[in-house]
Amino acid sequence: KQEVTQIPAALSVPEGENLVLNCSFTDSAIYNLQWFRQDPGKGLTSLLLIQSSQREQTSGRLNASLDKSSGRSTLYIAASQPGDSATYLCAETATSGTYKYIFGTGTRLKVLA
Amino acid sequence: NAGVTQTPKFRILKIGQSMTLQCAQDMNHNYMYWYRQDPGMGLKLIYYSVGAGITDKGEVPNGYNVSRSTTEDFPLRLELAAPSQTSVYFCASTQGRTEAFFGQGTRLTVV
Repeated sequence: KQEVTQIPAALSVPEGENLVLNCSFTDSAIYNLQWFRQDPGKGLTSLLLIQSSQREQTSGRLNASLDKSSGRSTLYIAASQPGDSATYLCAETATSGTYKYIFGTGTRLKVLA
Repeated sequence: NAGVTQTPKFRILKIGQSMTLQCAQDMNHNYMYWYRQDPGMGLKLIYYSVGAGITDKGEVPNGYNVSRSTTEDFPLRLELAAPSQTSVYFCASTQGRTEAFFGQGTRLTVV
């Protein structure tokens, strides 16, 4: 059964700090992994999508990596800002079967000014 | 280009009532999904569709029904609402295994 885990559930950091969010998955036959941002009371916004053939993707201050052998993905946020405060979720989809995204429970990030 | 549009944004239902959550996308995506999100939990897949006329169950389908008569629309029907269905419901769409686009959600309370 595909499972996705995100630890820690919550994280507080001072503004300007570089930070890493973790995502672990059990399915070695991963097709891609996507990182999302969710603001309170809002929907999910896609941040980065990494294909299984890729090791990392970058967008601005965000960098996501993928290590299929260890079943891990990380989202690196450089020079964090209060506006980065949100819940970050990762989701994976498998190579076999239908195109279902399996989500982790998310990490709630608070960046303190 | 509106993306994925969900209506209504909020709804309060009494136990035993029925309702339909609407979802429409204008990106011509083949895949559409319904998820529910409970406090402190991740998103659980209710139903999904791989194209018009084709739907399948996800992890938590009990108490729900779906239909997909067009590429654009994927309504979710709740029959005989129960307090356990109090949740935030999200509709999403993708073109195959690509970037997923989400609606803004419907916050449903069953009392």
